Amino acid sequence: NAGVTQTPKFRVLKTGQSMTLLCAQDMNHEYMYWYRQDPGMGLRLIHYSVGEGTTAKGEVPDGYNVSRLKKQNFLLGLESAAPSQTSVYFCASGLAVYEQYFGPGTRLTVT
Amino acid sequence: AQSVTQPDIHITVSEGASLELRCNYSYGATPYLFWYVQSPGQGLQLLLKYFSGDTLVQGIKGFEAEFKRSQSSFNLRKPSVHWSDAAEYFCAVNNNNDMRFGAGTRLTVKP
Repeated sequence: NAGVTQTPKFRVLKTGQSMTLLCAQDMNHEYMYWYRQDPGMGLRLIHYSVGEGTTAKGEVPDGYNVSRLKKQNFLLGLESAAPSQTSVYFCASGLAVYEQYFGPGTRLTVT
Repeated sequence: AQSVTQPDIHITVSEGASLELRCNYSYGATPYLFWYVQSPGQGLQLLLKYFSGDTLVQGIKGFEAEFKRSQSSFNLRKPSVHWSDAAEYFCAVNNNNDMRFGAGTRLTVKP
């Protein structure tokens, strides 16, 4: 039981490049979330999903897209990366809205 | 919009001393309330949560928190701090999947 895993752990992009972050969970959770963490600002919710095939916007969704084609995976895409998207990205999953288990994070740098 | 305030950016306590970390939230109803801990380079771990009922909740690692509706507060306490408690602590509120985190309080433990 691996819990919540995130791929990759680190990534450096140039401005304008695209990439996809993968979050996978093996706990059969319905709910999955993507957050970004910036110094002095805590975590901010980007997008979330309440089940396979569903997605919804969080607090800071601009510049990101997500997909939940399979229950166990939640993908976060950056179509045209900007330096403002330099951050640490965390995925979380849970059985219910009040329960979230976090992955180890992905550190993204956009130059 | 709902918000979470952690007034103390950094707290230093001596090992064995008591600890209280403050958290205030701004929201009309009582949302779900959480405390998470994050060690350097790691994801977040849930310490405890409050949904309803007894306003004093017990968590892991000897932590407890008290919900005070009149003060819109959910402060975290520990009677005797251990060196391993040094980490960053985040308060969070969740209302209908809108999850908001405070900016965090960094705890340093002096020997």
